[in-house]
Amino acid sequence: GEDVEQSLFLSVREGDSSVINCTYTDSSSTYLYWYKQEPGAGLQLLTYIFSNMDMKQDQRLTVLLNKKDKHLSLRIADTQTGDSAIYFCAESWGDDKIIFGKGTRLHILP
Amino acid sequence: DTEVTQTPKHLVMGMTNKKSLKCEQHMGHRAMYWYKQKAKKPPELMFVYSYEKLSINESVPSRFSPECPNSSLLNLHLHALQPEDSALYLCASSTSRGAGNTIYFGEGSWLTVV
Repeated sequence: GEDVEQSLFLSVREGDSSVINCTYTDSSSTYLYWYKQEPGAGLQLLTYIFSNMDMKQDQRLTVLLNKKDKHLSLRIADTQTGDSAIYFCAESWGDDKIIFGKGTRLHILP
Repeated sequence: DTEVTQTPKHLVMGMTNKKSLKCEQHMGHRAMYWYKQKAKKPPELMFVYSYEKLSINESVPSRFSPECPNSSLLNLHLHALQPEDSALYLCASSTSRGAGNTIYFGEGSWLTVV
């Protein structure tokens, strides 16, 4: 079946690294995504990774994919107050459907 | 430009009203989506249009009626809604199948049914 799991909350001190984890069940997933949603706003695509990759880096963001364990993570280096948001992990199979996790709320401590 | 534009941003409607949500993209994307998001929940897929044809309907009640007038526009017609339909309605678009399927979302339309 299709399922994406994430922890619901994460608190990180400003300046530290944040690591948000996600597990998925369908090994045929082709694309895996991280979306950010700030309060009252829509979803912003942060980054995505193809299933044949194991790492992708984009400025402060690093995505790691462990396909054997079906585990995806998003690392945010030097976490800032503007990073406070809900982060959704999502997967798709290259067709028209995308399945979202429940989202991880990232809280930044001063 | 990776912009999906939704109007209105906020809508309050009565249970007997007829209203519409509108969505527009000019990225040449061939797939467009409607998602519904309740508070503190992930988005739930409602409809997908691919090349202006309805390709997925996730068993959505008929009081929600999608329309795709052309490849840049997507509407969601609302009629006889219930208070539990109050939610954030998100439109999204993506390149056609097989091209990375990167999905871009609009800012959403906040709907309140009274």
